[in-house]
Amino acid sequence: GAVVSQHPSRVICKSGTSVKIECRSLDFQATTMFWYRQFPKKSLMLMATSNEGSKATYEQGVEKDKFLINHASLTLSTLTVTSAHPEDSSFYICSVTSGRGGDTQYFGPGTRLTVL
Amino acid sequence: QQPVQSPQAVILREGEDAVINCSSSKALYSVHWYRQKHGEAPVFLMILLKGGEQKGHDKISASFNEKKQQSSLYLTASQLSYSGTYFCGTEMSAGGTSYGKLTFGQGTILTVHP
Repeated sequence: GAVVSQHPSRVICKSGTSVKIECRSLDFQATTMFWYRQFPKKSLMLMATSNEGSKATYEQGVEKDKFLINHASLTLSTLTVTSAHPEDSSFYICSVTSGRGGDTQYFGPGTRLTVL
Repeated sequence: QQPVQSPQAVILREGEDAVINCSSSKALYSVHWYRQKHGEAPVFLMILLKGGEQKGHDKISASFNEKKQQSSLYLTASQLSYSGTYFCGTEMSAGGTSYGKLTFGQGTILTVHP
């Protein structure tokens, strides 16, 4: 399967600052990348779908101006949490896929964000 | 709409079997199964596609009832390493096509004791 990395793995920031999380597909041309958020002991909640070279599609209830997504190449997508607040503290995970139905999603190791 | 998994939690001894169910109210294109250990990313186990095709591990089996929009994951002769939270992810069918978007169930916590 595809190898996906995320950076950083953990980040602690002060309230009001912005944090950028990178998702890299190391050996797979990821036409589509997904960004999820997972709260403790909860399921993965899809935040947005990112297609290379186009604007991300956000799920209902996810503020696109707060969670900025850029997918500039087939191997890199970034999620920027702007003006972070303590309620944004969560586990953020990306996944990559070909974008075709029925194909496997390969997940990155996740980024633990803590906003103080 | 989020699929419903059952049971919410299972406790087993090594060597015992378990079945985890996933049910959706929507027409499905495929069902994906993942296992996640605490603090780690989900690990792919299996995909079941509409029409009967399966992709996944040799040691794990699953079924997909397209008419009932239900899938079951069968874990046999469980090992300690099977412990974790199991998620099903459902892919909706939209005019016969899909773009890979998954909606995950709430998870089933599996604990295997020696």
